[in-house]
Amino acid sequence: DAGITQSPRHKVTETGTPVTLRCHQTENHRYMYWYRQDPGHGLRLIHYSYGVKDTDKGEVSDGYSVSRSKTEDFLLTLESATSSQTSVYFCAISRQGPINTEAFFGQGTRLTVV
Amino acid sequence: QKEVEQDPGPLSVPEGAIVSLNCTYSNSAFQYFMWYRQYSRKGPELLMYTYSSGNKEDGRFTAQVDKSSKYISLFIRDSQPSDSATYLCAMSSMDSNYQLIWGAGTKLIIKP
Repeated sequence: DAGITQSPRHKVTETGTPVTLRCHQTENHRYMYWYRQDPGHGLRLIHYSYGVKDTDKGEVSDGYSVSRSKTEDFLLTLESATSSQTSVYFCAISRQGPINTEAFFGQGTRLTVV
Repeated sequence: QKEVEQDPGPLSVPEGAIVSLNCTYSNSAFQYFMWYRQYSRKGPELLMYTYSSGNKEDGRFTAQVDKSSKYISLFIRDSQPSDSATYLCAMSSMDSNYQLIWGAGTKLIIKP
């Protein structure tokens, strides 16, 4: 894997609790993304970042917030977890935007909200 | 209707067969087309990337784009058990603001 570490890899949490997922990269890539993957839906973009402190919403951003205070770290926070946020979350990085350069993915975080 | 449609499979074929995987799409503005491979419990990895129409070949893999039919294909020749994975298509356009639109993936099983 291209220098991307997601933590934790697995988490079970209760409805209503805040949860933070971390993505750390060692590639110094400018762009970072958070996706969720659910059966039948493919990958859906939650938020992305095009630089330190520069972030924007994706297709399914409701209930999620992100922060990027350093090039290497991109945090995804579920403010108050709901069962509909049970999913596999992937972080991805790319040197330029994803439409013209390869995006590299982390191993994923399997989140269960009970 | 989803912007990108992909048969979820599973598609099961014997080792050595030629595999054809397909996606259809509705947005005629899409210009960038990608195929990613995803092994179980792993992140996707880029296999093929094509800009606009035409064919692209890389070893045993060939990607085809038919923009007039809004249809893309990935062909795998001499399929191997190690090709067993889920194959995801993704596409984008210059006005999509960095958003790749993904198919749901086709699960491929190559039987030894």
